[in-house]
Amino acid sequence: SAVISQKPSRDICQRGTSLTIQCQVDSQVTMMFWYRQQPGQSLTLIATANQGSEATYESGFVIDKFPISRPNLTFSTLTVSNMSPEDSSIYLCSGKGAGGTDTQYFGPGTRLTVL
Amino acid sequence: EDKVVQSPLSLVVHEGDTVTLNCSYEVTNFRSLLWYKQEKKAPTFLFMLTSSGIEKKSGRLSSILDKKELFSILNITATQTGDSAVYLCAVTRITGGGNKLTFGTGTQLKVEL
Repeated sequence: SAVISQKPSRDICQRGTSLTIQCQVDSQVTMMFWYRQQPGQSLTLIATANQGSEATYESGFVIDKFPISRPNLTFSTLTVSNMSPEDSSIYLCSGKGAGGTDTQYFGPGTRLTVL
Repeated sequence: EDKVVQSPLSLVVHEGDTVTLNCSYEVTNFRSLLWYKQEKKAPTFLFMLTSSGIEKKSGRLSSILDKKELFSILNITATQTGDSAVYLCAVTRITGGGNKLTFGTGTQLKVEL
């Protein structure tokens, strides 16, 4: 399985500010993804992080609110911009290896609370 | 839109019991179904199923897929308190190369002494 690290593990932020979450994966990973899990809900895909180009966003998520970078194969960041209490969630990074497998491995997650 | 429904939403059992968790799905161009265990924040991978009727097994956990009836079950035998977690089911599509996981809402399992 892939090794994925994520930081910060948790943060408490003020309304209107932005937070950048970092994700580092090992070399087995070829694709990286960002998910959100709102309280009491399941995981929802925000976007696919593409190396060296703009991320591919799912319906309901936009670049201005969730800018994503992936400057190289093993590192990605997700920024939650202009935060409101509704952005309080767990944010998870995942990675998928080569070879056609569908299995994604998840990082430890970032628990964000917006006051 | 893809749909994944898990049942029951939650259950409480005693150590040693056997539990069966259910996952039904509606997805166009089904490719695979995955089970994860989520204890705190990070889901950990359990099984990936692509073929009907072939049981996957790992210790006390096993899972099987029925592509005709569009469901999967996850069995846990001789449950232990360490099995307490949320169990998530997710599906992928052929279109999109299996990249997007669509998750169900999960089953919260609590195993008591």
